[in-house]
Amino acid sequence: AQRVTQPEKLLSVFKGAPVELKCNYSYSGSPELFWYVQYSRQRLQLLLRHISRESIKGFTADLNKGETSFHLKKPFAQEEDSAMYYCALTSKETSGSRLTFGEGTQLTVNP
Amino acid sequence: DTEVTQTPKHLVMGMTNKKSLKCEQHMGHRAMYWYKQKAKKPPELMFVYSYEKLSINESVPSRFSPECPNSSLLNLHLHALQPEDSALYLCASSLSGRTVKNIQYFGAGTRLSVL
Repeated sequence: AQRVTQPEKLLSVFKGAPVELKCNYSYSGSPELFWYVQYSRQRLQLLLRHISRESIKGFTADLNKGETSFHLKKPFAQEEDSAMYYCALTSKETSGSRLTFGEGTQLTVNP
Repeated sequence: DTEVTQTPKHLVMGMTNKKSLKCEQHMGHRAMYWYKQKAKKPPELMFVYSYEKLSINESVPSRFSPECPNSSLLNLHLHALQPEDSALYLCASSLSGRTVKNIQYFGAGTRLSVL
């Protein structure tokens, strides 16, 4: 079974501070990991996916298969980064159809 | 058009009513999804349609009945719902339901209240 764990429900940092949102997964096959973000009153949208290896809005995430982690990082947080962040997993074995979300981390960036 | 559009935005219904939620996309996507999201919780997958055929039903009660009339449209028919079914219902679409490289694009949702 696919499982995603985000250990922090709430995370609060000050503007300009580094931020790391943790994500661990459990899956024995070939996982594909994503970070989705939901800003206040906006729709859920993709932030990053591990196959792209890109930086979006200053965020990066590296898949660590040894530690089964896909932590989201940003060196200098901005107030506009305040949102709910969901780590999500899909797999080749389900042909990418079944997207399993973690419980989410509510990030607040204080001025 | 690069959006998934859901109507209505809000819906209030009684337990004996029959209503439908509608989802539309014109991005040429061939996979469409229904999710249920409770407050402060992640979306939970309900149904997946791939090439207009139901490919995943996550043991959803029969009072929820999905329908995919064509590749651009997805409906969710509701009948005899319970108050605990009150939630935000999200529709999503992706290019295909057959590759992990798919990105799912989400609609803004229909906020449903069952009285």
